[in-house]
Amino acid sequence: GAVVSQHPSRVICKSGTSVKIECRSLDFQATTMFWYRQFPKQSLMLMATSNEGSKATYEQGVEKDKFLINHASLTLSTLTVTSAHPEDSSFYICSARGILSGHSYEQYFGPGTRLTVT
Amino acid sequence: AQSVSQHNHHVILSEAASLELGCNYSYGGTVNLFWYVQYPGQHLQLLLKYFSGDPLVKGIKGFEAEFIKSKFSFNLRKPSVQWSDTAEYFCAVNGRDTGRRALTFGSGTRLQVQP
Repeated sequence: GAVVSQHPSRVICKSGTSVKIECRSLDFQATTMFWYRQFPKQSLMLMATSNEGSKATYEQGVEKDKFLINHASLTLSTLTVTSAHPEDSSFYICSARGILSGHSYEQYFGPGTRLTVT
Repeated sequence: AQSVSQHNHHVILSEAASLELGCNYSYGGTVNLFWYVQYPGQHLQLLLKYFSGDPLVKGIKGFEAEFIKSKFSFNLRKPSVQWSDTAEYFCAVNGRDTGRRALTFGSGTRLQVQP
């Protein structure tokens, strides 16, 4: 099956610093990757969609200058939370969709990264 | 715009009881429908999906879901739950003709199965 990894799984940072989260598709090429945010006991909210080699498309209300997304290759997308604040503390989940046995509607999810900003 | 509503926020069942979790979506066009499960401390896993064809879809671990187009519903069922089914269940939809590839998730249903 398709495997998506995220690194790190947990990160604690101080307010004002930046944090980079990596999302990798391990056994397939991901033409599109998605970044979601999940608050405790709530659903996943889409933050942005990134296509390999082009700029990410951000959902309404998501600050693109704060949440920098780079999809430099078909197997790697990164989310950088810049000048992090305590309210950015959340669970960030990526998913990937790509060239995989013709099922282009499926997304495969990473295990998530728990960010805590102190 | 597309949206998904899950009516049951928290369901508590005893082992061997039957399960049905409701999911209704709002979208005027053709949809792809999904159910995901998130076990405690683990990532989202696909339970089953509907793209087209037979509206009764069978997934992993004995789960099934039925797409009823007239009711805009995609309810998840399992005849006999086990303690290991304790998890959070999310219904998701993707409007096929929007060009939008991201999924819209429901708010989730927390299932607690008591031994």
